[in-house]
Amino acid sequence: KAGVTQTPRYLIKTRGQQVTLSCSPISGHRSVSWYQQTPGQGLQFLFEYFSETQRNKGNFPGRFSGRQFSNSRSEMNVSTLELGDSALYLCASSLGSGRGSYEQYFGPGTRLTVT
Amino acid sequence: GESVGLHLPTLSVQEGDNSIINCAYSNSASDYFIWYKQESGKGPQFIIDIRSNMDKRQGQRVTVLLNKTVKHLSLQIAATQPGDSAVYFCAENGAAGNKLTFGGGTRVLVKP
Repeated sequence: KAGVTQTPRYLIKTRGQQVTLSCSPISGHRSVSWYQQTPGQGLQFLFEYFSETQRNKGNFPGRFSGRQFSNSRSEMNVSTLELGDSALYLCASSLGSGRGSYEQYFGPGTRLTVT
Repeated sequence: GESVGLHLPTLSVQEGDNSIINCAYSNSASDYFIWYKQESGKGPQFIIDIRSNMDKRQGQRVTVLLNKTVKHLSLQIAATQPGDSAVYFCAENGAAGNKLTFGGGTRVLVKP
């Protein structure tokens, strides 16, 4: 069974641009969560989507948005990029959504560099 | 607010010895905890989890201990191997859904 895949793996953008990252969950998984990982802030939760609906949202500005499609694939978008958005963006998928109920499987991440 | 933190950024251990990684959490309502391992260039990998109605849980070469009184979590790795070299994170799933709050991470370096 294929794991979580994220595309692209590496990305370089300029300040002010926007970017879209993609995540394909494990087949049969309906929940996708996104995390930002930086050396300074560590791993921080961005949002979770379950059955095409945003279930949870972290403390990030409105420039960060996401969506989930009917096949459970998810995208996240960051508009008006800032230097501080440089990070590893991780996607995690799980069968369902429920506090402490479902193991989450992480993808390899997309490394975004903003110059 | 919720927070899960680690205070030992790097742990150097001799191959074959046991490793202990510690984690403190601040949300007394937390009831589910997970340990993840992250190797270079990869996403976090699930190691073991524990619920608040337990004090100890064992897996293959790993043991997680939970002390709710002092809000402390630890991961013990027995007979540490070179393949155990990685960054280890504790996480709490305290909110509805799958939202995880992660600690800062501890790097484990295994010396041959």
